[in-house]
Amino acid sequence: SQTIHQWPATLVQPVGSPLSLECTVEGTSNPNLYWYRQAAGRGLQLLFYSVGIGQISSEVPQNLSASRPQDRQFILSSKKLLLSDSGFYLCAWSWGSGNTIYFGEGSWLTVV
Amino acid sequence: TQLLEQSPQFLSIQEGENLTVYCNSSSVFSSLQWYRQEPGEGPVLLVTVVTGGEVKKLKRLTFQFGDARKDSSLHITAAQPGDTGLYLCAGARSGGGADGLTFGKGTHLIIQP
Repeated sequence: SQTIHQWPATLVQPVGSPLSLECTVEGTSNPNLYWYRQAAGRGLQLLFYSVGIGQISSEVPQNLSASRPQDRQFILSSKKLLLSDSGFYLCAWSWGSGNTIYFGEGSWLTVV
Repeated sequence: TQLLEQSPQFLSIQEGENLTVYCNSSSVFSSLQWYRQEPGEGPVLLVTVVTGGEVKKLKRLTFQFGDARKDSSLHITAAQPGDTGLYLCAGARSGGGADGLTFGKGTHLIIQP
């Protein structure tokens, strides 16, 4: 069966510090991978998606970047965090495009 | 832009009551997913419906996909406190865009004991 894990689960970082959230998927190959941010009242906001190694598409211009160094690894990064980067971040995967998406456990980021 | 409108946004009812939440769009979707999310956790898939008019049951939950594949409903019978959570619907566009599904903003459901 397929599993997805992301870490850390909770992170408190000062403004201006770097960020690295990691996500791995097991039990499948060449999945589509996604990073979402969820804010109260705004629903799920797609940040980045990837259809293959090294292929990253950005949905929202912002202070964040994503990388896919391996087939089942997806990393969300920032060089300098802003207060507005605080939120609940979700990694997800799917079998190809237009298919059901499966989510990780989520990571709470608080920028102070 | 394809939007999914969920209603109501918030619903608080007593244990044992029945309820229905809705997911509507002016666009056609090839499939529609329902998720439940608890605070501090990722959304968990409940069901996928793919055929217009399809009805799926999951214990006390009944999911229906509209005949035109533009809308869906979730009906809960005899709600229990364990049903509390955020219910999200998500639609897949015909042709399957690489950017994934279109999500509604969710219905916050509270079942009071």
